[in-house]
Amino acid sequence: KAGVTQTPRYLIKTRGQQVTLSCSPISGHRSVSWYQQTPGQGLQFLFEYFSETQRNKGNFPGRFSGRQFSNSRSEMNVSTLELGDSALYLCASSSGQGRDTQYFGPGTRLTVL
Amino acid sequence: AQSVAQPEDQVNVAEGNPLTVKCTYSVSGNPYLFWYVQYPNRGLQFLLKYITGDNLVKGSYGFEAEFNKSQTSFHLKKPSALVSDSALYFCAVRPDYFKTIFGAGTRLFVKA
Repeated sequence: KAGVTQTPRYLIKTRGQQVTLSCSPISGHRSVSWYQQTPGQGLQFLFEYFSETQRNKGNFPGRFSGRQFSNSRSEMNVSTLELGDSALYLCASSSGQGRDTQYFGPGTRLTVL
Repeated sequence: AQSVAQPEDQVNVAEGNPLTVKCTYSVSGNPYLFWYVQYPNRGLQFLLKYITGDNLVKGSYGFEAEFNKSQTSFHLKKPSALVSDSALYFCAVRPDYFKTIFGAGTRLFVKA
């Protein structure tokens, strides 16, 4: 079974631009969660989507948004990029049923200049 | 407030020696507990989880974890460390359907 894939793996943007990251979950999984990982803040939860609906949301500004498609693939968008948005963005896939295990993708390394 | 603590930023151990990476949690109810490992520039890899039952859980790559309800701890252990075990380890708790709380991570260095 293929694992979680994320594209692109690396991205360089400048302040003020916007960016879209993509995540394809494990086949059959309907839940996708997004996390931001930085050296100073660790892993911070952004949001979770299940069956195309945002089910949970972390404490991030509205510049961070996401969506999920009918095939469970998910995208995350960050608008008006700031230097502090530089991070590793991880997505995690799970069945979405109960407190099941989340499986992580390799991440997208975003650098904002 | 619900939280997960990994009290050691870094653990150093010699190859062949046993290792322990500590985790304590503060959540209500009966949470599900997880350990993940992260290698440089990679995502988190699932190692093991505790749901209920035997307090000693065995996972991938020879790792195991001991659940202690009274101490609200879930320490990760391995009888004999390998240099290749050097990585960043995260403890996580799922108190309910919708939330996963991660610890800050512990960096493990295994010296040859």
